[in-house]
Amino acid sequence: GNSVTQMEGPVTLSEEAFLTINCTYTATGYPSLFWYVQYPGEGLQLLLKATKADDKGSNKGFEATYRKETTSFHLEKGSVQVSDSAVYFCALRSSGNTPLVFGKGTRLSVIA
Amino acid sequence: GAVVSQHPSWVICKSGTSVKIECRSLDFQATTMFWYRQFPKQSLMLMATSNEGSKATYEQGVEKDKFLINHASLTLSTLTVTSAHPEDSSFYICSARASGRAPETQYFGPGTRLLVL
Repeated sequence: GNSVTQMEGPVTLSEEAFLTINCTYTATGYPSLFWYVQYPGEGLQLLLKATKADDKGSNKGFEATYRKETTSFHLEKGSVQVSDSAVYFCALRSSGNTPLVFGKGTRLSVIA
Repeated sequence: GAVVSQHPSWVICKSGTSVKIECRSLDFQATTMFWYRQFPKQSLMLMATSNEGSKATYEQGVEKDKFLINHASLTLSTLTVTSAHPEDSSFYICSARASGRAPETQYFGPGTRLLVL
């Protein structure tokens, strides 16, 4: 079946450090890939997405590239801020209206 | 952006009692709502999908008589955990999607933490 594996946290970084959160997936066909972010006390929000191979999703300085050859969708940011502290979820949808499949989430803490 | 609220944000109850969790879409009409469950250090697991005015569709392994879902209006869905037991303790998250929106425009509530003693 479809599944998402992402690196376990927590991840603690200093402000302005480079961030990578690894995500790999297993799916049949050509899924769409997503990163969601959950800030403290709030619901999950869509951060970025990519719907086909080699697409790059980007938002708020975060980027992730859909790599079919490595079945990966790693999240990166060049310079994190304290306000980026949150839980990040990698997810996939295999097709159409099928349910999202989530990874376990990675908690990021950025310290000043 | 669209907002989804959940109430209560956390609840502690005794074993054998029933607990109702409300999910509301505050600024849009949600024709479809989803209920997820998350165990510590685990991913969100979809429990059921409900469309307004019709019965919920439960995922395999989810007891529909245990987890009662009602989606009576376009802005409200409720999840009732009946005769709760300690193993039902978990983090429950609802999500809502408006009619005609792309699948990824799914808005999530902040979650409800349930602890059954």
